[in-house]
Amino acid sequence: SAVISQKPSRDICQRGTSLTIQCQVDSQVTMMFWYRQQPGQSLTLIATANQGSEATYESGFVIDKFPISRPNLTFSTLTVSNLSPEDSSIYLCSAITGSLAAFFGQGTRLTVV
Amino acid sequence: SQELEQSPQSLIVQEGKNLTINCTSSKTLYGLYWYKQKYGEGLIFLMMLQKGGEEKSHEKITAKLDEKKQQSSLHITASQPSHAGIYLCGAATRGSARQLTFGSGTQLTVLP
Repeated sequence: SAVISQKPSRDICQRGTSLTIQCQVDSQVTMMFWYRQQPGQSLTLIATANQGSEATYESGFVIDKFPISRPNLTFSTLTVSNLSPEDSSIYLCSAITGSLAAFFGQGTRLTVV
Repeated sequence: SQELEQSPQSLIVQEGKNLTINCTSSKTLYGLYWYKQKYGEGLIFLMMLQKGGEEKSHEKITAKLDEKKQQSSLHITASQPSHAGIYLCGAATRGSARQLTFGSGTQLTVLP
């Protein structure tokens, strides 16, 4: 298994600012992903965090709005830029182990005011 | 239609009753994951199924992946209030890649 620590657990941000979310895994993992869960909805994949190269974004998500870094096999960050109230969501990181099990962090609840 | 259909959307059962949640994909499943989520929190990994016909159990929860690998069911035996929460299925449909598409979730309430 993998234990994923995600920080911060929640934040309230002003419009137009940015929030960076950190995701630390306790072991080396093969893949890392970022998801968004809008209020009352299920999870939507934002992007695949690629180690040492640019992230791969899903349709509807762009690098300028959601820059992602993954400097090594156990750590990734997601920044949500130029915040608007529509960005209020839970953001979750996920890591895939060698056995292909997919674990999630506890999520970051973002409220934009 | 949705790529991954999960049913029912909500379920209210009396403690001690059995229940089943279904997840049907419009694409071939290379992996099917079941999670439990409490409101506003992260996802707790329950089980992963990969092979058609596979069945796994953990305590009173059993999950199966059908032979044609496009449908999975989660069965809870003798439900308890601790089983209450949102159950989500996540499907890997891109071969060996593990980007997951999620169902809409099932809100389970267990009445004492």
